[in-house]
Amino acid sequence: DTGVSQDPRHKITKRGQNVTFRCDPISEHNRLYWYRQTLGQGPEFLTYFQNEAQLEKSRLLSDRFSAERPKGSFSTLEIQRTEQGDSAMYLCASSLYTLGYTFGSGTRLTVV
Amino acid sequence: AQTVTQSQPEMSVQEAETVTLSCTYDTSESDYYLFWYKQPPSRQMILVIRQEAYKQQNATENRFSVNFQKAAKSFSLKISDSQLGDAAMYFCAYRSTGTASKLTFGTGTRLQVTL
Repeated sequence: DTGVSQDPRHKITKRGQNVTFRCDPISEHNRLYWYRQTLGQGPEFLTYFQNEAQLEKSRLLSDRFSAERPKGSFSTLEIQRTEQGDSAMYLCASSLYTLGYTFGSGTRLTVV
Repeated sequence: AQTVTQSQPEMSVQEAETVTLSCTYDTSESDYYLFWYKQPPSRQMILVIRQEAYKQQNATENRFSVNFQKAAKSFSLKISDSQLGDAAMYFCAYRSTGTASKLTFGTGTRLQVTL
């Protein structure tokens, strides 16, 4: 297993466009988390899945954001009508229940 | 809601010396977990050390150790015999023992290691 993979590593998009990021967790991990990290800040929790069920969403996750984890494997995070304030690094992590997290290397989004 | 505070935006240490990074947190819970994560320029968050609040003994991992003061809600990280590869952002994080297991992070401390 190569760990948690995120794709793409970098994404530059124009304001108003939609973007989608993908996260492939460690195969035996049943939990998957999304975090957002802006410059100079620590990561902030966005949402998490246990298997295919989305169990918690932060109030940071506006209605322009949607996350899915079909079949409890990979996950996608979509941002519709991107705004400059969405520019950040989006981190994915996975775990087996409440055991230790493994993070991916993140997707850096720049909205111009 | 829990909060985590790291009051040192930047720290510097000479190679082979010892440095301590500070972290305080606020919670009303009695049982929880605390972590230190390292984020090098490669961006991947790497777990450095973990502490369970119910354990009085401070956690250690090779050159890394913590000073956990539960009453003071303080959780500092000591790095001994610092190496150039220790240069990174260090984040303190809190996690409840509940089912959600989401992490609450501090704002980080950038550690520079000089020759």
